[in-house]
Amino acid sequence: ELKVEQNPLFLSMQEGKNYTIYCNYSTTSDRLYWYRQDPGKSLESLFVLLSNGAVKQEGRLMASLDTKARLSTLHITAAVHDLSATYFCAVDLPQGAQKLVFGQGTRLTINP
Amino acid sequence: EAQVTQNPRYLITVTGKKLTVTCSQNMNHEYMSWYRQDPGLGLRQIYYSMNVEVTDKGDVPEGYKVSRKEKRNFPLILESPSPNQTSLYFCASSLFPSNYGYTFGSGTRLTVV
Repeated sequence: ELKVEQNPLFLSMQEGKNYTIYCNYSTTSDRLYWYRQDPGKSLESLFVLLSNGAVKQEGRLMASLDTKARLSTLHITAAVHDLSATYFCAVDLPQGAQKLVFGQGTRLTINP
Repeated sequence: EAQVTQNPRYLITVTGKKLTVTCSQNMNHEYMSWYRQDPGLGLRQIYYSMNVEVTDKGDVPEGYKVSRKEKRNFPLILESPSPNQTSLYFCASSLFPSNYGYTFGSGTRLTVV
């Protein structure tokens, strides 16, 4: 059974600081996704990571994937208040099974 | 605009009264699925469909039904809703394989009293 674990689950940080959210998963997968969710809203796709060593950046967010370690990271650089949200990683089952399994989510609060 | 459309956005109903939440996508995606989101439990898959007339159970299928008669539509049916089905529901779709990710609908907040 595929399990996806994020840490930390809650993160409060100051504007201007850097931090990293970690996502570990239990079985082999070649597709990992990061989503953002604002309260009561839908899930917004941030990154799709498809191969070992993949790194993608958008603004102050950067995501990476290490399939051998079964680990993805979401790095926040010089945080700003607008990045406050809940961030989810999600992993697809391998070999064409196509089932998306989510981590618990990391609630990020960025204080001025 | 490429999107997944869910209706209704909000619904309050009574126990036992059948309801349907609709989901439609305009991206010609093969794969569609339903999730429910509950505090402390995260997002859990209810049902999914790999293509027309192909559906299968996810992790929490009890009390739900689905159908996939057309590629674009994937309705979620609650034949006899109960209060424990009060939740935030999301429909999602993707190509198969999902190399471009999944697109989620705007969500349906269901309250069963």
